Amino acid sequence: AQSVSQHNHHVILSEAASLELGCNYSYGGTVNLFWYVQYPGQHLQLLLKYFSGDPLVKGIKGFEAEFIKSKFSFNLRKPSVQWSDTAEYFCAVKGTGGFKTIFGAGTRLFVKA
Amino acid sequence: NAGVMQNPRHLVRRRGQEARLRCSPMKGHSHVYWYRQLPEEGLKFMVYLQKENIIDESGMPKERFSAEFPKEGPSILRIQQVVRGDSAAYFCASSPPSGPNTGELFFGEGSRLTVL
Repeated sequence: AQSVSQHNHHVILSEAASLELGCNYSYGGTVNLFWYVQYPGQHLQLLLKYFSGDPLVKGIKGFEAEFIKSKFSFNLRKPSVQWSDTAEYFCAVKGTGGFKTIFGAGTRLFVKA
Repeated sequence: NAGVMQNPRHLVRRRGQEARLRCSPMKGHSHVYWYRQLPEEGLKFMVYLQKENIIDESGMPKERFSAEFPKEGPSILRIQQVVRGDSAAYFCASSPPSGPNTGELFFGEGSRLTVL
């Protein structure tokens, strides 16, 4: 069965600090990978996605993520966070063998101004 | 805005009552997914539907919960005889025809159910 693990439930950073949020998944086959963001009071929005090709993918707002197949990981990074990045971030996985996109428990990021 | 529309945004029910949550997918999308978000638990898949068909309901509780996506009108998630443990945010997502293969989803703003 698929599962997604996000290492940190809460992260607090100061503006301009670098960000890395960990995500590991469990699935035996080919996967599509996603990071979604949920700003306070808003719906989930796609931040970036990986289907195939270059394992380093760039998304909106300066975010990027790297797929490391050997580690079953898809960590999210941003070199310098802003106060407006305060949100909850969800890693998600969909295996090619089914219909479900499975989400991690989420990481709440708070950026201090 | 032709995004995924959910209503009501907030719903309060007493134990034993019924809750009905509605979801209209994005224009051109024919696949609907329902997820439940409990505090500190992320989003849990409940059900995946196409028009008039339930494709995968492996995440639905066996009792009291049902979902439909009729030929005309929105998808409905129905919870009968609600209990306090049903209090959660229920999110609907839709995808285009390629969606079930890619897994990319477009979310609504959610319906927050509170059971007193």
